[in-house]
Amino acid sequence: ETGVTQSPTHLIKTRGQQVTLRCSSQSGHNTVSWYQQALGQGPQFIFQYYREEENGRGNFPPRFSGLQFPNYSSELNVNALELDDSALYLCASSLELAGVEGQFFGPGTRLTVL
Amino acid sequence: AQSVTQPDIHITVSEGASLELRCNYSYGATPYLFWYVQSPGQGLQLLLKYFSGDTLVQGIKGFEAEFKRSQSSFNLRKPSVHWSDAAEYFCAVSLRGATNKLIFGTGTLLAVQP
Repeated sequence: ETGVTQSPTHLIKTRGQQVTLRCSSQSGHNTVSWYQQALGQGPQFIFQYYREEENGRGNFPPRFSGLQFPNYSSELNVNALELDDSALYLCASSLELAGVEGQFFGPGTRLTVL
Repeated sequence: AQSVTQPDIHITVSEGASLELRCNYSYGATPYLFWYVQSPGQGLQLLLKYFSGDTLVQGIKGFEAEFKRSQSSFNLRKPSVHWSDAAEYFCAVSLRGATNKLIFGTGTLLAVQP
């Protein structure tokens, strides 16, 4: 069974640029959630995708957008990067929406915005 | 306001000593409850979860947690800490609804002394 994978591991961008982060969900999981973890903080929910549709969004501006593909992998796109976007971005997958099994996290992508 | 509180930012214990990490939540109904562990540079690993039934739940790596409805608490315990347990621990809740998004506490950083 393959776990959740994310790419790239690290990324450095400058303010105003755009970035795309990628996530492959655990085998058999159809729900992907994205979280932002700033230094010294707990992860904050960005949004969730279920069967290729956005299903819930946290308190993040529209320049944070995403996609989920038919194979349930997902992308997180951030436009017009700001310094405060520097964080660890975590992807988590789960089976359906019931939540009873919990979510399984990838290792994250460390984004640094200069 | 709805929240998850981990009152201890940093805890140091000696190897072999017992451990208890505190977690309180503030929600109208009992949410699903989780504990995750994060080692430096790693993603989050699920230690254990509670949905209903027996209020004492067992997890991986010798951890257990007890749900106390009257105190809105879900404290994590381990009878004998190993040096490899040094990490950051996050309590999280998921509200029973259309999305299984996780709401995290700010984390407790555990240091283990030899």
